[in-house]
Amino acid sequence: NAGVTQTPKFQVLKTGQSMTLQCAQDMNHNSMYWYRQDPGMGLRLIYYSASEGTTDKGEVPNGYNVSRLNKREFSLRLESAAPSQTSVYFCASSGLAGGRVFSDTQYFGPGTRLTVL
Amino acid sequence: GENVEQHPSTLSVQEGDSAVIKCTYSDSASNYFPWYKQELGKRPQLIIDIRSNVGEKKDQRIAVTLNKTAKHFSLHITETQPEDSAVYFCAGGGGSYIPTFGRGTSLIVHP
Repeated sequence: NAGVTQTPKFQVLKTGQSMTLQCAQDMNHNSMYWYRQDPGMGLRLIYYSASEGTTDKGEVPNGYNVSRLNKREFSLRLESAAPSQTSVYFCASSGLAGGRVFSDTQYFGPGTRLTVL
Repeated sequence: GENVEQHPSTLSVQEGDSAVIKCTYSDSASNYFPWYKQELGKRPQLIIDIRSNVGEKKDQRIAVTLNKTAKHFSLHITETQPEDSAVYFCAGGGGSYIPTFGRGTSLIVHP
């Protein structure tokens, strides 16, 4: 049971480049989330997917897009990276089928450290 | 949406002392309040949570209290140890509300 996995672990981009961060979970969770973590700012929600087939904006969605590929996988895409997107990105999942959608423990992946030059 | 404020941002204690971190939330409909611990360079992990139908919950040296009337909840760590040093995040939400995280408290336990 790997839990939540993320790739890559580290990435350096130049301004304007694009990339996709991958996330997968093997816990049969319904909900998945993408957060960014900046010093002193806590965890800010970028996008979430309450269930397979749905995605919604979080607190800081500008400059990002997401795809819920299937129940296991949720990817985050930066179309044109900017220095302001330098951050640590965490994917998380929660919620078993039939459970309370947002009232369960979130399990986090190991994070992706992204630097945009 | 929900707004969660967390204090203090930094807490320094001596080993063996108690530590208390407080959070307030804005939406009375929130019903789930987890606490996560994040060690340096690691992912956040749940250490304890409480639901709105409970006033207090304990797990060994860790306890959480919830005051729904005042809309605040607190994390209590007793007999602190150096391995308790980490950043602690509270969150509030649940039901139809996505959990919103506080900005974190850096706890430093001096041996």
